[in-house]
Amino acid sequence: EPEVTQTPSHQVTQMGQEVILRCVPISNHLYFYWYRQILGQKVEFLVSFYNNEISEKSEIFDDQFSVERPDGSNFTLKIRSTKLEDSAMYFCASKSASYEQYFGPGTRLTVT
Amino acid sequence: QQQVKQSPQSLIVQKGGISIINCAYENTAFDYFPWYQQFPGKGPALLIAIRPDVSEKKEGRFTISFNKSAKQFSLHIMDSQPGDSATYFCAASLHNAGNMLTFGGGTRLMVKP
Repeated sequence: EPEVTQTPSHQVTQMGQEVILRCVPISNHLYFYWYRQILGQKVEFLVSFYNNEISEKSEIFDDQFSVERPDGSNFTLKIRSTKLEDSAMYFCASKSASYEQYFGPGTRLTVT
Repeated sequence: QQQVKQSPQSLIVQKGGISIINCAYENTAFDYFPWYQQFPGKGPALLIAIRPDVSEKKEGRFTISFNKSAKQFSLHIMDSQPGDSATYFCAASLHNAGNMLTFGGGTRLMVKP
């Protein structure tokens, strides 16, 4: 069964450093998403991406964040200058033209 | 207006019992209501979902009940099993170009053997 994959599973970085989180969505999907989940809290929407551009973004997704689909398979989230409060699980999700969004296993980002 | 409120925060059920988790939403434009199951250290897994044109959807032991006038929906897990112990999130979305999911706060379910 096709699934969303994410790398790395755990990323430790120092405050102020740039990080890139990588995702490979399900191959025939058209819509791509990033969500985050701070430990013990609910899942929060960051950004949606369709047709090579951002379609929606939340207040969390400020100028420090960017997304890219550099080739036909990868979807990346870049945080330019990480802060302590960026520590969270980051989930990539994808969907086809139907409603169902499928999530990857997540990347745990720890900012020290 | 985009909030989804979920209750209870935690739930303990005996094996074989019925687990019931409730959600309420504010935005009447929402048109898709999924439930996700999340095990520790894993991503949310789509469990079951409903559109507002039906009042109930059943898949195996899992049933969603939907009350459009009350703006509420609930997940019922029949014959709950220890393997169902997980965190459950309700969510809602609009089927537009973005289709972002707005999640409830989550319910930590423990099913005792």
